[in-house]
Amino acid sequence: EAQVTQNPRYLITVTGKKLTVTCSQNMNHEYMSWYRQDPGLGLRQIYYSMNVEVTDKGDVPEGYKVSRKEKRNFPLILESPSPNQTSLYFCASSPGGSNTQYFGPGTRLTVL
Amino acid sequence: GIQVEQSPPDLILQEGANSTLRCNFSDSVNNLQWFHQNPWGQLINLFYIPSGTKQNGRLSATTVATERYSLLYISSSQTTDSGVYFCAVVQDSNYQLIWGAGTKLIIKP
Repeated sequence: EAQVTQNPRYLITVTGKKLTVTCSQNMNHEYMSWYRQDPGLGLRQIYYSMNVEVTDKGDVPEGYKVSRKEKRNFPLILESPSPNQTSLYFCASSPGGSNTQYFGPGTRLTVL
Repeated sequence: GIQVEQSPPDLILQEGANSTLRCNFSDSVNNLQWFHQNPWGQLINLFYIPSGTKQNGRLSATTVATERYSLLYISSSQTTDSGVYFCAVVQDSNYQLIWGAGTKLIIKP
């Protein structure tokens, strides 16, 4: 089944404890991206990747890192999480260009 | 940048009713998608519809690209249709999806 998977789906952590949210797609898509969703602010892009080893900042990259060593994986790294990073996170992938973007199930992160 | 506006912001209907959700966008686009975010937070792809009309069961969508709007039709609503409906368009420079604020739909039994 073609899909985007994220892990973990739910995470409660404490300020400053490094964490990684994994994202994987099995559709051989070139384009991948991360969004966060917050009440009243909608979905905002954090980082995106056009292809392997090619990443760039979105609208809200501060406090996050990403890597794209393989085409299928695009992990989101929070080196020192803070409470303002409490949010619902989505990973998405697409063949690129203006094609349909497919979203993972989301990761609910709470930073205490 | 592109602006995306959705209306109405909230909609409460009885089961069985029909509804029309609207999405206006401020510039020409090559991609427009409709999503349903269910009460559990999952984003579900409904339509990829940069132009024309598509139908999928009780749902259909029409995009008139020259007039910069899209409509999502839901017929014979069911309680499982409840949630937030988003439209989003692609910003061509980096393929970022630009999102509307959503329409919150509540279907009462």
